[in-house]
Amino acid sequence: DAGITQSPRHKVTETGTPVTLRCHQTENHRYMYWYRQDPGHGLRLIHYSYGVKDTDKGEVSDGYSVSRSKTEDFLLTLESATSSQTSVYFCAISDPVLAKNIQYFGAGTRLSVL
Amino acid sequence: GESVGLHLPTLSVQEGDNSIINCAYSNSASDYFIWYKQESGKGPQFIIDIRSNMDKRQGQRVTVLLNKTVKHLSLQIAATQPGDSAVYFCADALSGGSNYKLTFGKGTLLTVNP
Repeated sequence: DAGITQSPRHKVTETGTPVTLRCHQTENHRYMYWYRQDPGHGLRLIHYSYGVKDTDKGEVSDGYSVSRSKTEDFLLTLESATSSQTSVYFCAISDPVLAKNIQYFGAGTRLSVL
Repeated sequence: GESVGLHLPTLSVQEGDNSIINCAYSNSASDYFIWYKQESGKGPQFIIDIRSNMDKRQGQRVTVLLNKTVKHLSLQIAATQPGDSAVYFCADALSGGSNYKLTFGKGTLLTVNP
């Protein structure tokens, strides 16, 4: 998975609890992305980062926040998880200089909110 | 693995046949296109890309065709093998600008029958 590690791979949590998902890359790519994948919707962008401490919202950002304090790490936080956030979450990386627009994906985190 | 195949168009082929997977995109300004393969329980994997100044590009057993007039992409897989069974996504992007966001299609589930 192109030097991308997502953790945890599986998580079950309760409604109202905070959850943080981690994406770690060893490729020194500038851009990092968080997507969610749900049946019937395909991949939808939650947030992305274009550098350390530089982030922006995607199409489904409500209820999520992100942080990027180092090039290699991009964190996705659900401040108060809801059942509608049950999904599979994918991190991706890209670099316009190193790899054109190609995004490389991690293996995913399956999150269940009960 | 997770049910990423729910609600998706499906294509079923016999092993050894050629497969053609189609994709329509909506943004006439998009100038960069990618195909991904996603096996059950895994993250999307880059297959092949094409820029808008090309109509066709070939890889190993795969060919991508681009018709900008009707905003249509196709992925052709030669001599389809059981290992090709997966969900296939197309994605498009604007390669210029300050971000490199991809817009993903919902995907097609390819099943290869032995």
